[in-house]
Amino acid sequence: DSGVTQTPKHLITATGQRVTLRCSPRSGDLSVYWYQQSLDQGLQFLIQYYNGEERAKGNILERFSAQQFPDLHSELNLSSLELGDSALYFCASSVRVFSEQYFGPGTRLTVT
Amino acid sequence: DQQVKQNSPSLSVQEGRISILNCDYTNSMFDYFLWYKKYPAEGPTFLISISSIKDKNEDGRFTVFLNKSAKHLSLHIVPSQPGDSAVYFCAATNTGANSKLTFGKGITLSVRP
Repeated sequence: DSGVTQTPKHLITATGQRVTLRCSPRSGDLSVYWYQQSLDQGLQFLIQYYNGEERAKGNILERFSAQQFPDLHSELNLSSLELGDSALYFCASSVRVFSEQYFGPGTRLTVT
Repeated sequence: DQQVKQNSPSLSVQEGRISILNCDYTNSMFDYFLWYKKYPAEGPTFLISISSIKDKNEDGRFTVFLNKSAKHLSLHIVPSQPGDSAVYFCAATNTGANSKLTFGKGITLSVRP
């Protein structure tokens, strides 16, 4: 158990819909990262927050947004969903801006 | 543009033997490298890392070697155990920029009893 929790574990929704994925980092970790893992793809970095502020952006679509709240939990919002958004979404956390990242179990999103 | 490459998608080794997992990178700004292990239905688990100022880092059965001139790193597992069967991801970052990790696509290791 990495100490990072993600909810829900599974999510099935239709195209065009909007969903919110939630992540609680390890106790004491200030940085939160979101990654997408599609079929046959490695982990693609989406976005990073540190203590409530956005620090780095990767290949995140404009239809996707995220935020980190004062209690340090984070949410990833995916809107106008398309079939190609079906993937595993991982959240990770770390103590500082740079240190080893610890991953949650992931949310499997299926868009039908 | 894939900056971290794990060219072999899978590797099968006998229990007790050495497993060598390879990783190549193209970005010369990367200065910190990590290996993660992932079991099905779980998130990746941090395994071992190495800074570019070193060429070797060892932790128990796991050793990572870094060859900066060749932009190549490898993970050695000795001796391999059936419980090591998993997907192994190589990742790299430039600590001077931000902590964004760039991952390879992973190698599936199977350790035969």
